[in-house]
Amino acid sequence: EDKVVQSPLSLVVHEGDTVTLNCSYEVTNFRSLLWYKQEKKAPTFLFMLTSSGIEKKSGRLSSILDKKELFSILNITATQTGDSAVYLCAAYAGNNRKLIWGLGTSLAVNP
Amino acid sequence: DAGVIQSPRHEVTEMGQEVTLRCKPISGHDYLFWYRQTMMRGLELLIYFNNNVPIDDSGMPEDRFSAKMPNASFSTLKIQPSEPRDSAVYFCASSPRARGNQPQHFGDGTRLSIL
Repeated sequence: EDKVVQSPLSLVVHEGDTVTLNCSYEVTNFRSLLWYKQEKKAPTFLFMLTSSGIEKKSGRLSSILDKKELFSILNITATQTGDSAVYLCAAYAGNNRKLIWGLGTSLAVNP
Repeated sequence: DAGVIQSPRHEVTEMGQEVTLRCKPISGHDYLFWYRQTMMRGLELLIYFNNNVPIDDSGMPEDRFSAKMPNASFSTLKIQPSEPRDSAVYFCASSPRARGNQPQHFGDGTRLSIL
């Protein structure tokens, strides 16, 4: 059965800290991996990764995919209270448009 | 550009009542997805459409759930009769037709409480 597993489930840090969120996957015919940020409402898209070893970056956030070891990480440097959210990871598998979702990592950044 | 629009934002109703959730996808997007999110199970795909045609409804929990997409700019998810275990946040998402993988863009969701 296809699955995506995220760790840790929750994390509490202080402003200015750097955090690394993990996402491992076991999916049939893997195509790409996506990261989303969910605050109180809709999940909002952050990154989509298709190739191994190529870092995607947006401001203080960056992400990379390892297709050999079947995982991805999301890094957030110099965290701010506005980074507090649930971060979701999902994978496209097979020849369809279904995303396989992890349960998320809940990040709390304290001032 | 307007994003995915869902209504209502909140719905509280009694067990046994019919519930209808509505969604307007982003203009030009050919794929529409209905999800349910709970603390225990996370995001679960219920059904998705391509060009208004249901492609995969394997996530629809039972016959009490039905979804339609009568045109490219409107979809409904209906629960009849509703039960307390249907309480959750229901999201609609859409994505463009473009080749290859595309991110899905979510609406703000409908928080459903069945008493």
